[in-house]
Amino acid sequence: QVQLVQSGAEVKKPGASVKVSCKAAGYTFTSYYMHWVRQAPGQGLEWMGTINPSGGSTSYSQNFQGRVTMTRDTSTNTVYMDLSRLRFDDTAVYYCARDQGDYIGDYWGQGTLVTVSS
Amino acid sequence: QSVLTQPPSASGTPGQRVTISCSGSSSNIGSNTVNWYQQFPGTAPRLLIYTNNQRPSGVPDRFSGSKSGTSASLAISGLQSDDEADYYCAAWDDTLNVFMFGGGTKLTVL
Repeated sequence: QVQLVQSGAEVKKPGASVKVSCKAAGYTFTSYYMHWVRQAPGQGLEWMGTINPSGGSTSYSQNFQGRVTMTRDTSTNTVYMDLSRLRFDDTAVYYCARDQGDYIGDYWGQGTLVTVSS
Repeated sequence: QSVLTQPPSASGTPGQRVTISCSGSSSNIGSNTVNWYQQFPGTAPRLLIYTNNQRPSGVPDRFSGSKSGTSASLAISGLQSDDEADYYCAAWDDTLNVFMFGGGTKLTVL
């Protein structure tokens, strides 16, 4: 069965970087784009960007341009989201979500809490 | 503030039918398909409706979606207590080049 398993919670200081992983299983990794979506405490969902695991091409939300980098490792079926120059308001749960082709999010990771605190 | 506008809250009694609206513009709902997601506290969102009105397998037919022009709606019939959750609409925005989520609607079953 399809599974997206994310890395564990992180606590970072302002200005630092964080790298969250999302390991896919149960399907052909390179056949489906992957998206990253975040949710600040008590807030709604915010799309961050997407990566094509086949060729590695990416598209990012302007809100994160210059701070976010999405990569993949086809040998381990894992996608990564690297967010730099962290701010307090980057405290959120970060989700990976698979793209079905016509729609996003037929499968989601369990979420990774990133806390930015001094 | 989201480009896709949802009411912050909605409510109904068990067995009732409730509707949640999602208002957008020509660059998002008006030119792209709409998805709906259900989210319980502390859990990942779950795809509820895709391509305006399609249900993934496992989603009860009590949930239905529709779209007209630059607006979309999610209807839940035969409301149940375990429908109490947050609901988000979403669509691609061609102008902003982002996948937009609505602000979310908290559904309370009275």
